[in-house]
Amino acid sequence: ILNVEQSPQSLHVQEGDSTNFTCSFPSSNFYALHWYRWETAKSPEALFVMTLNGDEKKKGRISATLNTKEGYSYLYIKGSQPEDSATYLCAFYDNNAGNMLTFGGGTRLMVKP
Amino acid sequence: KAGVTQTPRYLIKTRGQQVTLSCSPISGHRSVSWYQQTPGQGLQFLFEYFSETQRNKGNFPGRFSGRQFSNSRSEMNVSTLELGDSALYLCASSLVQLGGGEAFFGQGTRLTVV
Repeated sequence: ILNVEQSPQSLHVQEGDSTNFTCSFPSSNFYALHWYRWETAKSPEALFVMTLNGDEKKKGRISATLNTKEGYSYLYIKGSQPEDSATYLCAFYDNNAGNMLTFGGGTRLMVKP
Repeated sequence: KAGVTQTPRYLIKTRGQQVTLSCSPISGHRSVSWYQQTPGQGLQFLFEYFSETQRNKGNFPGRFSGRQFSNSRSEMNVSTLELGDSALYLCASSLVQLGGGEAFFGQGTRLTVV
């Protein structure tokens, strides 16, 4: 069973603050790392799929970095807005242990206006 | 374009019964994967189907099964329901095999076993 961990579990920030959270995953047999945003009462929405060590991806105010050698990815949100409030999930895909997507427990972000 | 559609949205079943959930993927997507979400366990991978073949299965008992049809629509079946099967079941579709591209999720089926 693969271990994918996210920290912190929850985060409260003020509107305008920048924030970041971490996803740790096994550094062997890496294939891809996914990030999803899951708002309450909605479906999870893909943010990024990252495959290359050192990769950096950006979508608006949200960006992510990837370090496959040490097994971590950071998600950054610049100038948080209340609409950024959601649970952010990372998921690790390996090409060895059964080709499955293993999700972390998520980071729940709450942005206060 | 239409998103991933799951039916039904809500379901109440009695322990020991069986249930079938349906997932219609985005047109052109050949991969459909299924997940179980419970408060204690988070989002857990059940299985993935690609071109009507099961590629992989998560750590779930044989009571959980699925299939995919030639039009890529997928069904998931749970037999001999247990109280612990109460959960939100999500399906997702991808253009390519899972892992290689982003997954697009449906809104889920909320199953309650009483």
